[in-house]
Amino acid sequence: SQTIHQWPATLVQPVGSPLSLECTVEGTSNPNLYWYRQAAGRGLQLLFYSIGIDQISSEVPQNLSASRPQDRQFILSSKKLLLSDSGFYLCAWSEPSGTATDTQYFGPGTRLTVL
Amino acid sequence: GDSVTQMEGPVTLSEEAFLTINCTYTATGYPSLFWYVQYPGEGLQLLLKATKADDKGSNKGFEATYRKETTSFHLEKGSVQVSDSAVYFCALMNRDDKIIFGKGTRLHILP
Repeated sequence: SQTIHQWPATLVQPVGSPLSLECTVEGTSNPNLYWYRQAAGRGLQLLFYSIGIDQISSEVPQNLSASRPQDRQFILSSKKLLLSDSGFYLCAWSEPSGTATDTQYFGPGTRLTVL
Repeated sequence: GDSVTQMEGPVTLSEEAFLTINCTYTATGYPSLFWYVQYPGEGLQLLLKATKADDKGSNKGFEATYRKETTSFHLEKGSVQVSDSAVYFCALMNRDDKIIFGKGTRLHILP
């Protein structure tokens, strides 16, 4: 069966510090991968999605970036965090494009607090 | 653009009460529709889905029917439990295969 992992679970970082959040998926090949942010009172916002290695689309311009160094690894990064980057970050995966499945499966999330 | 609108919370009910959380959408074509649930401190889990008009998704006593004529996908449960306390997200997948979420509705069930 497929599983999705995220770490760390919680993170407290000062403004201006770098960020690296990691997401890995097991039990599937060539998944579509997604990063979402859930800010208080604002629902879920799609940040990045990837249909393959080195194929990443950004949905919202900001000081975050994403990379996919391996097929089942998705990393969210920032060089300098802002206070507004605080939130709950969720990674998700879905079956490869072109298959019948349209459901996304979510990881446990990382709660980021920027002070 | 495509969007999902769901009733604002929090919604507070007593145990065994009937639950309705309204959801309406705007999209081109025939999107797939979903309800996701997020329990405290956890990520999102798919609760149910429907992929075409008049389909009914159901799971754990929850139901939602894809109503094309009213562009709605309201979530219902006949008798809620304390363990149903969570945040519920309505969502659609559009023709670009992107999921668009509503803002979520927090549900509190009192014993």
